[in-house]
Amino acid sequence: GQNIDQPTEMTATEGAIVQINCTYQTSGFNGLFWYQQHAGEAPTFLSYNVLDGLEEKGRFSSFLSRSKGYSYLLLKELQMKDSASYLCAVLTDSWGKFQFGAGTQVVVTP
Amino acid sequence: DAGVIQSPRHEVTEMGQEVTLRCKPISGHDYLFWYRQTMMRGLELLIYFNNNVPIDDSGMPEDRFSAKMPNASFSTLKIQPSEPRDSAVYFCASRSTAPAGGPGDTQYFGPGTRLTVL
Repeated sequence: GQNIDQPTEMTATEGAIVQINCTYQTSGFNGLFWYQQHAGEAPTFLSYNVLDGLEEKGRFSSFLSRSKGYSYLLLKELQMKDSASYLCAVLTDSWGKFQFGAGTQVVVTP
Repeated sequence: DAGVIQSPRHEVTEMGQEVTLRCKPISGHDYLFWYRQTMMRGLELLIYFNNNVPIDDSGMPEDRFSAKMPNASFSTLKIQPSEPRDSAVYFCASRSTAPAGGPGDTQYFGPGTRLTVL
């Protein structure tokens, strides 16, 4: 079967760093995406990896190891507005078949 | 650009009724996706279209669900008859992979339709 696993919830303090891990086993792989979803809102794109290594975009970085089926999203200098669900998604075909993980709820405390 | 537009934003209906959800993708996008999100099952891909043609509908749960895309700027997801277990948030998303795009082009989600079937 196909699995995308990520922790259910993580709590961190404002200003700290949090790393959200995602492991995947899918029938195909054409890239890994991270989305942020605030409660009651639609998911919004954060980052994309298709090659091994680290992609940095401001306070957010994402890492991919295809041989290990592993990715992480690193959130630095946490702010209260970063409290949200973070979804890991794999593009499993060459066109548009995205499979999403269940999401990790990040709670940022003062 | 106005982004992906969905209507209605909220729908409350009774079991057995027909429900039609509507989506207008971002102009110029050649892919359109329908997703369903629930607490229990997360975000599930139901069906996606490329250039108005359904490519993969393996995520459509039952024959009660159907989706159409009559033109590049409009799609519908229909549930007939609706059941309480269909209660969820339904998202439409669109994506462009042309002219210089590729798999890295992300999809943009609409605001969703919150469906409640009583």
